[in-house]
Amino acid sequence: QSALTQPRSVSGSPGQSVTISCTGTTRDIGAYNFVSWYQQHPGKAPKLILYNVTERPSGVPDRFSGSKSGNTASLTISGLQAEDESDYYCCSYAGFYTVFGGGTKLTV
Amino acid sequence: QVQMVQSGAEVKKPGASVKVSCKASGYNILDKYIHWVRQAPGQGLEWMGWIKPNGGDTRYPPKFQGRVTMTRDTSISTAYMELTSLRSDDTAVYFCARDNNNNSFQYWGQGTLVSVSS
Repeated sequence: QSALTQPRSVSGSPGQSVTISCTGTTRDIGAYNFVSWYQQHPGKAPKLILYNVTERPSGVPDRFSGSKSGNTASLTISGLQAEDESDYYCCSYAGFYTVFGGGTKLTV
Repeated sequence: QVQMVQSGAEVKKPGASVKVSCKASGYNILDKYIHWVRQAPGQGLEWMGWIKPNGGDTRYPPKFQGRVTMTRDTSISTAYMELTSLRSDDTAVYFCARDNNNNSFQYWGQGTLVSVSS
C-alpha cells in the first residue's frame, strides 16, 4: 500500500481558488468512493473536511468541494481565506487497508 | 459529545515497547472501528491499522505487522496500541481516530508524542 501522491505545495491569493490533486491506483481511489480529506494546522489533530469524495461534515464551509476521476481525487478550495493556509491530506480506503497522501502545504 | 482522550507523552529507549491508550466517550465504543495514525516530526500521516472494538478484529499494514498490537477494553471504552522493538524513526505523534463507518475520521485523539532516544 503505497502512499497516495499529492503535490508538496500549492499557493493562491485571497479570493482565488486552488485545487489539490491526490493520485492513487485501481486498488484504492479507483476502486472505492471512500475518499476523505483532512486539514491540519501545526500541532493540531487533523480535521475532517470531506468524506465519501464529495460530502462535507456539518460546519465545513461549502467553499470546500471534492471530486474524483479514475484514480485521482481532487480537493478544491474556492474563495481562499487566510485561515485556509494549512496542510491538507487525502485518504482512501484500499480494501481492509487505509492509505494517506503525503500531504500538501497550502500557502495563502 | 464524542471525545477521544489519549494517554500522555512517553520517552523510550531503542528496543523498548510503548503502549498508548485512547479513551472514547460520547458514543458506544462497540459501534465504530478505531484506527491509529502516526506522524513523524515534519512528516505526513501514516496509517497503522484498525481495531473493531466489537469482537476485537484487527488489521495492520505489512510495514507494522509483527510489531504492532491493537487491543481494547470495552468495559472502560478504551483502545490501546502497543508498538514493540522501538527505533529512533518511531519517534512520532500517535493519534487514535474514530471511523465513521466509511473510512473517514471525524473524531481524533489529541495525539501522544512518543520519543525514542538512547
